[in-house]
Amino acid sequence: KAGVTQTPRYLIKTRGQQVTLSCSPISGHRSVSWYQQTPGQGLQFLFEYFSETQRNKGNFPGRFSGRQFSNSRSEMNVSTLELGDSALYLCASSTRGVSGNTIYFGEGSWLTVV
Amino acid sequence: DQQVKQNSPSLSVQEGRISILNCDYTNSMFDYFLWYKKYPAEGPTFLISISSIKDKNEDGRFTVFLNKSAKHLSLHIVPSQPGDSAVYFCAASGGGGADGLTFGKGTHLIIQP
Repeated sequence: KAGVTQTPRYLIKTRGQQVTLSCSPISGHRSVSWYQQTPGQGLQFLFEYFSETQRNKGNFPGRFSGRQFSNSRSEMNVSTLELGDSALYLCASSTRGVSGNTIYFGEGSWLTVV
Repeated sequence: DQQVKQNSPSLSVQEGRISILNCDYTNSMFDYFLWYKKYPAEGPTFLISISSIKDKNEDGRFTVFLNKSAKHLSLHIVPSQPGDSAVYFCAASGGGGADGLTFGKGTHLIIQP
């Protein structure tokens, strides 16, 4: 069974640009959640999607957005990039949702903003 | 305010001995706890979880203990192996999943030969 797949693995963007990251969950998983990992803040929850609807959202500005498609694949977008957005962005999937369930992570997308 | 705390940034243990990683939480709404292992440049790998209705869960070399009254959980690895050297994250969810998973800052476990 294939795991969570994230693309691209590495990317470099310039301040002010926007970026879109993609995530394919484990087959049969309907919940996709996104996390940001930075050295200073650790792993922080961005948002969760379930059946194409955003179910939960962490404490991030509106520049961070996402969506989920009917096949459960998800994308996250960051607009007007800032240097502080440089981080590892992790996607995770689970069968029914984050609460009370095991969630499985992808390898992550490394974003560097210059 | 950090709701999940791993107070030891690093831990060194001799190969073959027991590794004990600790985690404290402050939010009494948390009802499900997980441990993940992470190598540099890779995503976290799920190790073991425990529901708040239990106080112990075991899977092979890994055992997680939960003390709800103390809001404390620990991960025991017996025996420790060189491949166990990694960063270990404690995570919690609960309250209807309003905040996704809340992670601790991690403990870097180093297994000495």
